[in-house]
Amino acid sequence: NAGVTQTPKFRVLKTGQSMTLLCAQDMNHEYMYWYRQDPGMGLRLIHYSVGEGTTAKGEVPDGYNVSRLKKQNFLLGLESAAPSQTSVYFCASSYGTEGSQPQHFGDGTRLSIL
Amino acid sequence: GQNIDQPTEMTATEGAIVQINCTYQTSGFNGLFWYQQHAGEAPTFLSYNVLDGLEEKGRFSSFLSRSKGYSYLLLKELQMKDSASYLCAALDSNYQLIWGAGTKLIIKP
Repeated sequence: NAGVTQTPKFRVLKTGQSMTLLCAQDMNHEYMYWYRQDPGMGLRLIHYSVGEGTTAKGEVPDGYNVSRLKKQNFLLGLESAAPSQTSVYFCASSYGTEGSQPQHFGDGTRLSIL
Repeated sequence: GQNIDQPTEMTATEGAIVQINCTYQTSGFNGLFWYQQHAGEAPTFLSYNVLDGLEEKGRFSSFLSRSKGYSYLLLKELQMKDSASYLCAALDSNYQLIWGAGTKLIIKP
């Protein structure tokens, strides 16, 4: 049981380049999330999805786009990378948000923008 | 605004007990989570509290006081593998998780 899988694990981009981060979960979870984690700050929600074909903005959505074409996959795109987007990106999934449904996290993607 | 406060770093001795505090201010409240995150790894779920009181899970316990906006994570019989960051997160009225910056726990032999 793989859980939540993120690819790639590491990437270095030049300013202005674009890329897509991939997230796949095999737990049949409805909800999926993209976070970024920066030193000295809590996890910040970029975008999330409450089901296949749906997406919504989180706390810091600017400069990112997402798609959820299949229930098990959630893609995060950087349209034109900027140095401020250097971060560790985590994907997470959960059955729902109510009650004690914890979020399950992938191992992260470490992204550097030069 | 919404805010989670927890100490940046704590140090404890192997075999001892440590308490990591967390205070929260959120618009509405639907529960509080604690996660463990080892350096370079993903956060992993430790506990969830929604009612006042203490929840015990082996060496780890979590306490909640809703009236005080306060929680703590208690770790007993500390082991070197407990060296990690501990993240506090509160579920607000929209069922969004508001995360603290994490407490880095250093265990010394």
